[in-house]
Amino acid sequence: SYELTQPPSVSVSPGQTARITCSGDALPKQYAYWYQQKPGQAPVLVIYKDSERPSGIPERFSGSSSGTTVTLTISGVQAEDEADYYCQSADSSGTRWVFGGGTKLTVL
Amino acid sequence: EVQLVESGGGLVQPGGSLRLSCAASGFTFSSYWMSWVRQAPGKGLEWVANIKQDGSEKYYVDSVKGRFTISRDNAKNSLYLQMNSLRAEDTAVYYCASFSSPPAWGQGTLVTVSS
Repeated sequence: SYELTQPPSVSVSPGQTARITCSGDALPKQYAYWYQQKPGQAPVLVIYKDSERPSGIPERFSGSSSGTTVTLTISGVQAEDEADYYCQSADSSGTRWVFGGGTKLTVL
Repeated sequence: EVQLVESGGGLVQPGGSLRLSCAASGFTFSSYWMSWVRQAPGKGLEWVANIKQDGSEKYYVDSVKGRFTISRDNAKNSLYLQMNSLRAEDTAVYYCASFSSPPAWGQGTLVTVSS
């Protein structure tokens, strides 16, 4: 079955830039979405359609795509950004969703 | 404001059944594919099922095929998940989500399968 691959963890100091990657063979054909999840809370959409930012999401969150890899970039990381981040996309037919395994962002 | 509200979760014994509902508001429900996603305790997100706008196409993750059925009632702006033959590994928070742009998610409902 189709899989998306994320690094299990990323660590950055406050004010630095965090980059979280997500790889999958169908990503050149299907949009990617990024979700932030803090403990005990529902996921929150931070990027959709590879690089669109929903209203209310800070400008420091951005997304990009290159071939089979998409990247979530958080510029000027703040302590409140510490969370799990999941990428989501679809298989090549677009009918079945798939999630990456999640990346725990630690703000040192 | 787009809103998705799940209900119907609870404690059920292995082999039992449960029907989840999701009430949608703030957008044209009948225009979008809808999904169920779940998250087991301490685990990542897992897609469960998708349904087309008119209900004519349905897709499931392999682990629930033949046991779960996704459906919708566009007149009631509601999405459903009928869960039969429940197993301990189905214990999770279940979220409904829309394929709208941007996508929207509910807050989830907890399903616990245990004797």
